[in-house]
Amino acid sequence: DAGVIQSPRHEVTEMGQEVTLRCKPISGHNSLFWYRQTMMRGLELLIYFNNNVPIDDSGMPEDRFSAKMPNASFSTLKIQPSEPRDSAVYFCASTSYKRQGVNYGYTFGSGTRLTVV
Amino acid sequence: KNEVEQSPQNLTAQEGEFITINCSYSVGISALHWLQQHPGGGIVSLFMLSSGKKKHGRLIATINIQEKHSSLHITASHPRDSAVYICAASNFGNEKLTFGTGTRLTIIP
Repeated sequence: DAGVIQSPRHEVTEMGQEVTLRCKPISGHNSLFWYRQTMMRGLELLIYFNNNVPIDDSGMPEDRFSAKMPNASFSTLKIQPSEPRDSAVYFCASTSYKRQGVNYGYTFGSGTRLTVV
Repeated sequence: KNEVEQSPQNLTAQEGEFITINCSYSVGISALHWLQQHPGGGIVSLFMLSSGKKKHGRLIATINIQEKHSSLHITASHPRDSAVYICAASNFGNEKLTFGTGTRLTIIP
């Protein structure tokens, strides 16, 4: 398995531009997470999906951020318009979750380093 | 107060030393995770445990559910073990992770 695949690896954009980050989870995993990592705040959950349905988006900073999961093999995180304070590393992760409350190990993507200038 | 606390924040040791990183949590959990992140690198899941002890190579992770405490041990430490180690908790019925602040480990040759 190729693991969780994120693209692009690096993104530099100007303030005000739209940015789209992409994630392909591990096949068979039914939960997908978007995390953001900054020096100041560490790792933070932005949103997660279970069976393609958004479960918790309380970490999404504001309306400028949106996330979709149109099918089990693809998710996007969009920032529009982008601002310098959005500069961070964005990680996607997936896992397999069962209703009994048991989950399995997480697999993280390599991350997208976003710089907004 | 963070729901997941790690100590120490920074740790420098000589190659070969036995390393211990501690993690305490204040929430009910279904599992405690140990993650590794090398400088500028991605995040690798080392362990997920809900009871007892797990071992993988030179790494050992333990958890005490009653005391809400977990430890990560590294035996015969090596410079390639230099990384940030992060513990994270996942709650019952809700599998999102709550992260500790991380421990930056530096092993000097």
